[in-house]
Amino acid sequence: DADVTQTPRNRITKTGKRIMLECSQTKGHDRMYWYRQDPGLGLRLIYYSFDVKDINKGEISDGYSVSRQAQAKFSLSLESAIPNQTALYFCATSDPTGGGGYTFGSGTRLTVV
Amino acid sequence: KQEVTQIPAALSVPEGENLVLNCSFTDSAIYNLQWFRQDPGKGLTSLLLIQSSQREQTSGRLNASLDKSSGRSTLYIAASQPGDSATYLCAVRMYSGGGADGLTFGKGTHLIIQP
Repeated sequence: DADVTQTPRNRITKTGKRIMLECSQTKGHDRMYWYRQDPGLGLRLIYYSFDVKDINKGEISDGYSVSRQAQAKFSLSLESAIPNQTALYFCATSDPTGGGGYTFGSGTRLTVV
Repeated sequence: KQEVTQIPAALSVPEGENLVLNCSFTDSAIYNLQWFRQDPGKGLTSLLLIQSSQREQTSGRLNASLDKSSGRSTLYIAASQPGDSATYLCAVRMYSGGGADGLTFGKGTHLIIQP
């Protein structure tokens, strides 16, 4: 099994719908992150979490919310999806004490029509 | 605010050549720097992680160097192969004092190795 698993892999949704992207990890890391990737813009940080009780906004948090259900689970929600949220979304974990490298999931391709 | 720039944006070379990808960053107070590979529509695979105190890291045909004082890193790929074709991303992590965290990414170098 992958260290960081994202579901679903692909999703098409309609404008105005609520959608949740899920992430689970087996790395045992406390820190988890959500990024989005857009052509020409690169990867940008949406939210990050240091632990279950510590959630922080990233560079582009507007229109998104997150929930850290457990150390291993971090979900991203779009409360009312809009077309410019069409992107590739990545979940990641890191271990600051173990060199600080990041491990990424395989991504969720979200299309809002 | 940290900014990461990768040059060139795209590169196409014949198989077997040695090549260098460049990454520069504006704030030298980094914690570490990580090189990733991304295949089209896929996730990010970590290639090399260099701590701020290190000068280089090697893995197989890959060698990454770090010059923190000048804000530069290079990824050297020896004896390139068609399977090396991908987008290569450079990302820096700052010290998380004050609670901030996260990677700052460059926009990547799209590499094509011609058979």
